[in-house]
Amino acid sequence: GAVVSQHPSRVICKSGTSVKIECRSLDFQATTMFWYRQFPKQSLMLMATSNEGSKATYEQGVEKDKFLINHASLTLSTLTVTSAHPEDSSFYICSALTGGAGANVLTFGAGSRLTVL
Amino acid sequence: GDSVTQMEGPVTLSEEAFLTINCTYTATGYPSLFWYVQYPGEGLQLLLKATKADDKGSNKGFEATYRKETTSFHLEKGSVQVSDSAVYFCALGSGGYQKVTFGTGTKLQVIP
Repeated sequence: GAVVSQHPSRVICKSGTSVKIECRSLDFQATTMFWYRQFPKQSLMLMATSNEGSKATYEQGVEKDKFLINHASLTLSTLTVTSAHPEDSSFYICSALTGGAGANVLTFGAGSRLTVL
Repeated sequence: GDSVTQMEGPVTLSEEAFLTINCTYTATGYPSLFWYVQYPGEGLQLLLKATKADDKGSNKGFEATYRKETTSFHLEKGSVQVSDSAVYFCALGSGGYQKVTFGTGTKLQVIP
């Protein structure tokens, strides 16, 4: 089946640095990918929709200058957390729509746990 | 807007017990409904889905039926195993599934 690979799975960084998280679709092309943030013991919050070749669409309340999303190819989307601070520590998950017409489902990456010291 | 409400956890069951996790939804139109499972330290995996009213999704012994009249999609399993311990998310997809709304998740712990 469709696989979405996310890297790194864990990253620890110092406050003020930037961190890039990659999301790759393996064996299929993903024109649309989604980035979620998951807080402890809470549900997933959609941050943005990443569209290949165009600007990402951010959800209300998400700072687009802080969470930079680039979808340069049909198999890769990246999320860069710029000038990270401890409050940015979270579990970030990407997903891609897979399946044919009328059968689209979301396939998720394994997630990336960011810890900002 | 769309919303999903699922029972709060954690739910603790003994092995081979019957499981029900309630899920109700509010949506315009005719959404698709999903259950996702998240094992410790991992991302979400699709467990099962139903795309229209009265459809039953099933996988790995889990079942859920799309009930339009009660706007529900309760997850059931007849006999849980320790390996089923995870967080379960109910979700609905609308707008060609471009927009997926998740419930808050229910943590299931199965003890031997």
